Amino acid sequence: NAGVMQNPRHLVRRRGQEARLRCSPMKGHSHVYWYRQLPEEGLKFMVYLQKENIIDESGMPKERFSAEFPKEGPSILRIQQVVRGDSAAYFCASSPRSGEETQYFGPGTRLLVL
Amino acid sequence: GESVGLHLPTLSVQEGDNSIINCAYSNSASDYFIWYKQESGKGPQFIIDIRSNMDKRQGQRVTVLLNKTVKHLSLQIAATQPGDSAVYFCAEKGPSGTYKYIFGTGTRLKVLA
Repeated sequence: NAGVMQNPRHLVRRRGQEARLRCSPMKGHSHVYWYRQLPEEGLKFMVYLQKENIIDESGMPKERFSAEFPKEGPSILRIQQVVRGDSAAYFCASSPRSGEETQYFGPGTRLLVL
Repeated sequence: GESVGLHLPTLSVQEGDNSIINCAYSNSASDYFIWYKQESGKGPQFIIDIRSNMDKRQGQRVTVLLNKTVKHLSLQIAATQPGDSAVYFCAEKGPSGTYKYIFGTGTRLKVLA
């Protein structure tokens, strides 16, 4: 069984460019969560999505950040006009359904903004 | 506000000894807790979980203890091995109907040969 997949694993962008991070949940999982992790810190919740719906984006910055989980294809976390402070590891997790189920994490995308 | 914190940022343990990693949480309504292990350059890996109606749960070489009275969670690793070296996070989830996991800062476990 394939786990949560994320790509790219590493992404380098210059300030002002766009970053697109992709996440394919585990087979059978329809709930996706995005987290951000700064060096030497814990994970911070950003957004929770189900297929075609954003359930909670309270952890996501109001500007420049957006997320989607289309009916077909992976979930996308998009960061427009990146700044150096966006440099972090972005992790995606998935679960079969919300609430009680354990969230399983992908390997992360490490974004470096120059 | 809600927070999950750890008492020790770094723990060094001799190979073969037992390790105890502690975690404090502040939301008494949290009903589900997980320990994750994160190795360098990798995503968090599920270790063990426990629900609030339990005070102890055992896995293979790991035990999680939950003390709701003092809002304390601990992870015990028996016979610590070099492969256990990693950062360990506790995470809590609020009552049924919520889904956000709140992660602590993490404890780095170093296993000494």
